[in-house]
Amino acid sequence: DTEVTQTPKHLVMGMTNKKSLKCEQHMGHRAMYWYKQKAKKPPELMFVYSYEKLSINESVPSRFSPECPNSSLLNLHLHALQPEDSALYLCASSQDLRERSYEQYFGPGTRLTVT
Amino acid sequence: AQSVTQLDSQVPVFEEAPVELRCNYSSSVSVYLFWYVQYPNQGLQLLLKYLSGSTLVKGINGFEAEFNKSQTSFHLRKPSVHISDTAEYFCAVSSGKAAGNKLTFGGGTRVLVKP
Repeated sequence: DTEVTQTPKHLVMGMTNKKSLKCEQHMGHRAMYWYKQKAKKPPELMFVYSYEKLSINESVPSRFSPECPNSSLLNLHLHALQPEDSALYLCASSQDLRERSYEQYFGPGTRLTVT
Repeated sequence: AQSVTQLDSQVPVFEEAPVELRCNYSSSVSVYLFWYVQYPNQGLQLLLKYLSGSTLVKGINGFEAEFNKSQTSFHLRKPSVHISDTAEYFCAVSSGKAAGNKLTFGGGTRVLVKP
């Protein structure tokens, strides 16, 4: 099973709302990632978790708060977002950060619209 | 620092014709190279990867790529395309564990296969 699942598929939220995106994988991967993809642009890395610990934060605004409750789950908590945060949010996972570079497996994404 | 340049933003091609998507990278350390495909409203799917060894890499769906270290290129080819190959293609580079397995993507090439 090489599947990464993401929920919800679509999310519309107001600027004062609090919502969460969820990502799950059952491949035994120990590294998980959040990417943001604007229309007609490549994905941009936001966060990297390795063994449930945050290892990279690409200077993401604090209105985005990641959480890795266990090795299979990755959440992205959203609060006080701006309309420019509307994008496709992609989750990915890979085997391990400590050895060689492993390919990342991507989920289908959550399309977020901030009104 | 690493970067990726995809030389063509759009490539129109007729069905059953060959296609080549060009990718050049720059990196000061060893690199690992990937091609991903993104179909409309979906996540990214790995087509192929170069980690080490043979410079000619074969992937899924009849795609192949050749790593050329002297020209810092990793061009993607398919000898005969199908309508279903219409998608966005991303070249990506990683410097492995030294950089947290961070993937840096090129700007993408949109392939439109015409009947």
